Amino acid sequence: EVQLLESGGRLVQTGGSLRLSCAASGFTFRGYTMNWVRQAPGKGLEWVSTISENGESTFYGDSVKGRFTISRDNSKNTLFLEMNSLRGEDTAVYYCAKDSYDTGGFLAGMDVWGNGTTVTVSS
Amino acid sequence: EIVLTQSPGTLSLSPGERATLSCRASHSVASTYLAWYQQKPGQPPRLLLYGASSRATGVPDRFSGSGSESDFTLVISRLEPEDFAVYYCQQYGFSPLTFGQGTKVEVK
Repeated sequence: EVQLLESGGRLVQTGGSLRLSCAASGFTFRGYTMNWVRQAPGKGLEWVSTISENGESTFYGDSVKGRFTISRDNSKNTLFLEMNSLRGEDTAVYYCAKDSYDTGGFLAGMDVWGNGTTVTVSS
Repeated sequence: EIVLTQSPGTLSLSPGERATLSCRASHSVASTYLAWYQQKPGQPPRLLLYGASSRATGVPDRFSGSGSESDFTLVISRLEPEDFAVYYCQQYGFSPLTFGQGTKVEVK
């Protein structure tokens, strides 16, 4: 079964740091671009970051650029999100999500999502 | 940044009715890179459609999508009880990737 399992979310103080993990199973992890997407309480979805299959290319939303770092360990089938200088507006459920590809090799949306891990930033 | 605006914000319908959801982009989006997701309370999003009109694995054929450039539509032909949820469009052709604010389909 294809599965993503996030962990690491907790209550942290403003200005603090946190590292989220996402353990992947049931598919060839190193073959897929991976993402972090977050959802603040009662709000919509916000893309956070994307990392290429080999980890060499990374992309970030403007709201987290310079504070968050995405990485992956393909030998351990795990995705990470290092979060620094946390703010109240970073409070959210953080999902990791796998990109999919169609038969032509084009991106085809995020087809597998974890259940999310909750980050709460409070002073 | 490409801003996606979904309408209406809330759609109140009865089971068996047809739902039509709109997603409008601030700039042209290649239809290849437009997706729709369904999210139920307490659950992660579920991919419904990609490439504006291709159904993801396991998605019933009552869900269909269309559109191009800056106007996209998701249609649920006959609402089933399990279809009442929030629906998001997403463009993944340009960074930053962006989502619409969502349309809630609720029971009338």
